[in-house]
Order: sequence, then structure tokens, then C-alpha cells
Amino acid sequence: GAVVSQHPSRVICKSGTSVKIECRSLDFQATTMFWYRQFPKQSLMLMATSNEGSKATYEQGVEKDKFLINHASLTLSTLTVTSAHPEDSSFYICSAKTFDSYNEQFFGPGTRLTVL
Amino acid sequence: KQEVTQIPAALSVPEGENLVLNCSFTDSAIYNLQWFRQDPGKGLTSLLLIQSSQREQTSGRLNASLDKSSGRSTLYIAASQPGDSATYLCAVRGYGSGNTGKLIFGQGTTLQVKP
Repeated sequence: GAVVSQHPSRVICKSGTSVKIECRSLDFQATTMFWYRQFPKQSLMLMATSNEGSKATYEQGVEKDKFLINHASLTLSTLTVTSAHPEDSSFYICSAKTFDSYNEQFFGPGTRLTVL
Repeated sequence: KQEVTQIPAALSVPEGENLVLNCSFTDSAIYNLQWFRQDPGKGLTSLLLIQSSQREQTSGRLNASLDKSSGRSTLYIAASQPGDSATYLCAVRGYGSGNTGKLIFGQGTTLQVKP
């Protein structure tokens, strides 16, 4: 149980285009989802926290208009990178948790974004 | 602001050796601490989770300890194998409002176990 999937696993796009990444909890209801970004040889940095049906809370320094997060259902959250640029190239990982589980977040396999 | 540091950044050992990975954190007000494994280009696999009231957790050849007052945790790997080669991440969860305590990650230790 507690499986989180991400789609796509890898995406290459041209500079200036928008890219949508999906995060799904396959066998549980995720009231909260987290989006992380990881640059090569660096650790995971939390970008934003989203609760189902509410606006996402962004970490300091993360542009909310550039990284659009939607958490419209208890099993799906999307991250849209708008007007992507090469510096947005990174590994994006989502995680999900249920409301009654303060302890555990379950992580997706990640999405490798390359912006040309 | 919580900061998590992992030492060493990289480690190379021969197969069979016992080894210790270190993690330190600046704010001792944590809810729990978690150790993850990350293979290249992949997501995270949770290894061990230690609650703030606990001193250690064990799973197979892995043992994690926690000294909350001094802001330290160690991950002990016994009889290392080439399959243990990966990056090991330490993360602490603080007290957050609304039941959404954030995970703050260290930079990781990249382990290579040579056959």
C-alpha cells in the first residue's frame, strides 16, 4: 500500500513552453501533497505544500505564478511549470500523506525535467 | 530555521565493512527523524523513522540512533554490500501547524561499496 506515482517520469521541452507534472496517490486519499525540487548532487528542497481543495502554500523564494499547483481531488495533484527556462531543469518529486498520519509521507518516483 | 547537515558527503568502502553515516540538526524541537535511500535518478525509499521519544530503530542490517538533545543521528550499516551503494538522506520533521510538519532534508551521503 501507500504508493505514489508521477507522470511523466521524464520530459524534455523547449524554453518558453509550459509543462504539467501529475502526482497520484494510488491506494490512499492524500489530503496533503508536497512538491520538492532536487538539483544535481543536491538535496531535496520543498517548493510548496498543497491541501486538497485549498490554495498551495509556497516556500520562500518559490514563484507561485511560475509553479502552479492544483490539488483538486484526494488522489491527484499537478505541478505546472509555466514558461519554462533552462534553469528550471531539475528533478521534481512529489510526496503525499493522509490527514491522520502526521508521521509518514510517501514519495513518488520523481520527474526529470529538461528545458532546452 | 532548521538546518540539517550530513557528514561525510561521500564514502567509499570495501564490501563487508561496517559503516556509520552522520546527521546533525540545529533545532532539537523535532517530531521525528527519517532516513531515506535514493538511487541515481530515482525517488526516495524510506529506511527508518525514529520518533522524538525513541533512541533507535533497527531494520535488518540497518540501525539508526537519535540523540535529540545534542541534535544528532547516526545510521549504522552492518556488513555492507555493493547493493547498498546509493545516496542516503536524513530528514527531520518539525512541529507544524495544521498537521503538516515539513520534512527538512540534509545534503545526503553518497555511499559506494566496492566488491
